[in-house]
Amino acid sequence: SYELTQPPSVSVSPGQTASIACSGDKLGDKYACWYQQKPGQSPVLVIYQDNKRPSGIPERFSGSNSGNTATLTISGTQAMDEAVYYCQAWDSSTAVFGGGTKLTVL
Amino acid sequence: QLQLQESGPGLVKPSETLSLTCTVSGGSINNSSYYWGWIRQPPGKGLEWIGSIYYSGSAHYNPSLKSRVTISVDTSKNHFSLRLSSVTAADTAVYHCARQTPYGSSWAFDPWGQGTLVTVSS
Repeated sequence: SYELTQPPSVSVSPGQTASIACSGDKLGDKYACWYQQKPGQSPVLVIYQDNKRPSGIPERFSGSNSGNTATLTISGTQAMDEAVYYCQAWDSSTAVFGGGTKLTVL
Repeated sequence: QLQLQESGPGLVKPSETLSLTCTVSGGSINNSSYYWGWIRQPPGKGLEWIGSIYYSGSAHYNPSLKSRVTISVDTSKNHFSLRLSSVTAADTAVYHCARQTPYGSSWAFDPWGQGTLVTVSS
């Protein structure tokens, strides 16, 4: 079965750029999306189709996808961005999620 | 604004069947643009897609759960349901429902319900 791998944790200082990677076999041939989940809340879509932001998501969130790796980038990271981030892609009509990355804003 | 709300028993005994319903408000489930999905999250762990259903009743499931899962839809009540049979403690999780929304050339889950915790225990 298809798997997506994320680092368990990433740390960033306020105002700096955070990058969260998601790796999978030929992931660049698929579309990746990203969800943000804060404690006690449900996930929220922040990036779809590799690099597009839904309405209401700040411009500091961006994404890319090439080769075997999709990347979520948060520019000018704010304390409110501290959360767990999940990548997700589709493989043979099956939705696959990465294990999640805890972003800590120090 | 579309909202989804999960409902059902919070406690299920091992070997029994877990049954949950997701009620959709602020929009019709009878819409050819969307699928409607179930995703679960064991306490402190990551997300696992269970399956999704179209308003017509056509469903597709996670192969790892397919033998135990049935998802159905009732357009007259604007809700869809999940049944997971032969549950064990490993099925303890927060169960979320979500709209599977077409975005460009792909799909994403947006929005999500608040989730409901189901514990499997005797």
